[in-house]
Amino acid sequence: GENVEQHPSTLSVQEGDSAVIKCTYSDSASNYFPWYKQELGKGPQLIIDIRSNVGEKKDQRIAVTLNKTAKHFSLHITETQPEDSAVYFCAAHPGGYQKVTFGTGTKLQVIP
Amino acid sequence: GAVVSQHPSRVICKSGTSVKIECRSLDFQATTMFWYRQFPKQSLMLMATSNEGSKATYEQGVEKDKFLINHASLTLSTLTVTSAHPEDSSFYICSARGLAGGPVQETQYFGPGTRLLVL
Repeated sequence: GENVEQHPSTLSVQEGDSAVIKCTYSDSASNYFPWYKQELGKGPQLIIDIRSNVGEKKDQRIAVTLNKTAKHFSLHITETQPEDSAVYFCAAHPGGYQKVTFGTGTKLQVIP
Repeated sequence: GAVVSQHPSRVICKSGTSVKIECRSLDFQATTMFWYRQFPKQSLMLMATSNEGSKATYEQGVEKDKFLINHASLTLSTLTVTSAHPEDSSFYICSARGLAGGPVQETQYFGPGTRLLVL
């Protein structure tokens, strides 16, 4: 089955700096990679996703890159703000109606 | 965007009682719903997958007789924790996935979660 590794487990950055979270996956059949943000006591919220036919996708301060050959994808947050503080999960999906596999999460702390 | 609701948001019950948690997809039809359990500072642990109108598929180690799942319609799934005990205290989160070819397709959208405390 699919295995997703996520690093780092915790990340502290100064407000205004950039944050990068990296994930690797094992199943070359995976073709959809969503990222979720989970605030304390709440359910995960989809913040951006990317499909395997695209190498990069950007939405305002958030961007995701995908390297299919190396089987890794990354989340980039620029100009971080205190409200970006949360736990972020990456995920890999093999397509169709199979299960999504989640990474172990990264706790991001943005220091004002 | 796609919205998934859960009710109740938190529940406190006595040991031995049963608790039902509802999960609804509000603006899309969900052929598949997932139930997750999350312990503090940990990732999401998939408990079971349910497809509308059929029996749920449980992950290894999850007791199907303890965690009853019903997916009676394309917008509603329920999780019932039967004879709850303190070790069942946790954060339970549902997720819904839309119809093939539909606006949300294979994307999973999560509910806000239910905090269960068993005394």
